[in-house]
Amino acid sequence: AQKVTQAQTEISVVEKEDVTLDCVYETRDTTYYLFWYKQPPSGELVFLIRRNSFDEQNEISGRYSWNFQKSTSSFNFTITASQVVDSAVYFCALTLTGANNLFFGTGTRLTVIP
Amino acid sequence: GAVVSQHPSRVICKSGTSVKIECRSLDFQATTMFWYRQFPKKSLMLMATSNEGSKATYEQGVEKDKFLINHASLTLSTLTVTSAHPEDSSFYICSYGTSVYNEQFFGPGTRLTVL
Repeated sequence: AQKVTQAQTEISVVEKEDVTLDCVYETRDTTYYLFWYKQPPSGELVFLIRRNSFDEQNEISGRYSWNFQKSTSSFNFTITASQVVDSAVYFCALTLTGANNLFFGTGTRLTVIP
Repeated sequence: GAVVSQHPSRVICKSGTSVKIECRSLDFQATTMFWYRQFPKKSLMLMATSNEGSKATYEQGVEKDKFLINHASLTLSTLTVTSAHPEDSSFYICSYGTSVYNEQFFGPGTRLTVL
């Protein structure tokens, strides 16, 4: 069975601080994809990143960076110099190759205080 | 990425009525689509998976007679909540899947409130 755990339910940071959102996953499959989505108050899911299980290279996109470690089954997400617009719920998710359905974590609500 | 629309974005209805939610893929044809439900401050829970022209596959605990899914074409899927009750109040999100990179494209969601 697949499972995604986001242990941090809520995080508050002051603007310009860095923040890391944790994601730990479980699967017995060797081929899978990991995702991060942002859900602002409007509700619409915003795709942030997709990573396949064979690519452990870390990725940086502007203020966002992701650290994928298969050894610890983690796919953590860091926001550098946080801004108020980063306030949202962030979901980590996993899907198996060919399966298509996503297994979501419970989400982390990030509040950036001005 | 693909563009997916949902209509209506918000709906308030009386208990016992049925509500239909439409999900459209605006710029590509999708053979597989998913319906999720999200309760306040909770995660997204997959309700059902459907392939165009086939019956939907429902997740455990989801009543197929209550949540009717029709995937009549490659660009349109509908979810009908029949005889809605207050406990059906939730945020419903559809998505279309693609086998390329196993990516899903999400609609903006429909907030259903049953009085």
